[in-house]
Amino acid sequence: GEDVEQSLFLSVREGDSSVINCTYTDSSSTYLYWYKQEPGAGLQLLTYIFSNMDMKQDQRLTVLLNKKDKHLSLRIADTQTGDSAIYFCAEITLNAGNNRKLIWGLGTSLAVNP
Amino acid sequence: ETGVTQSPTHLIKTRGQQVTLRCSSQSGHNTVSWYQQALGQGPQFIFQYYREEENGRGNFPPRFSGLQFPNYSSELNVNALELDDSALYLCASSRGPDGYTFGSGTRLTVV
Repeated sequence: GEDVEQSLFLSVREGDSSVINCTYTDSSSTYLYWYKQEPGAGLQLLTYIFSNMDMKQDQRLTVLLNKKDKHLSLRIADTQTGDSAIYFCAEITLNAGNNRKLIWGLGTSLAVNP
Repeated sequence: ETGVTQSPTHLIKTRGQQVTLRCSSQSGHNTVSWYQQALGQGPQFIFQYYREEENGRGNFPPRFSGLQFPNYSSELNVNALELDDSALYLCASSRGPDGYTFGSGTRLTVV
């Protein structure tokens, strides 16, 4: 089946690193994404990783993918109060017609304390 | 390059009514997908359109229907609204799997 799981809450101090974890079940996933959602707003693509990669770095963001364990993580270095938001992990799966669709986790609410 | 625009931003409807939500896709994107996000939940895939044809559907009843137009903009129609249809409806456009661009959503309240 298709399932994406994340821990629901994470609290860190400003300046520390945040690590948000995600597990997924569909081994055929090709792309995995991290999106950020601020209160009352839409979804902002932060970064994505292709399934044949195990790491991707983009400024303060580092994505690690362990395909064997179906585990994805997002590390935010030097976390700022502006990083407080809900972070969603999503994977692309193929539906019955061999077309793509996004499956989402419930989101991790990140609180950054001054 | 314009982003994804959704209209209206907020809407209140009565149970049993019908609603149409609109989405204009980002320039150069030929695929549009729609998601329902209930409060405190992750988005749930409703359906996807590629070049005016539906090419994927989630677990939503037939009263959720859609259209994609030649300019790749899209509509989501919901008939016989139920209280549980109250949610944020998000539209995303894409050109390929390397990035879905989302609109800010339409907040639908059914009373």
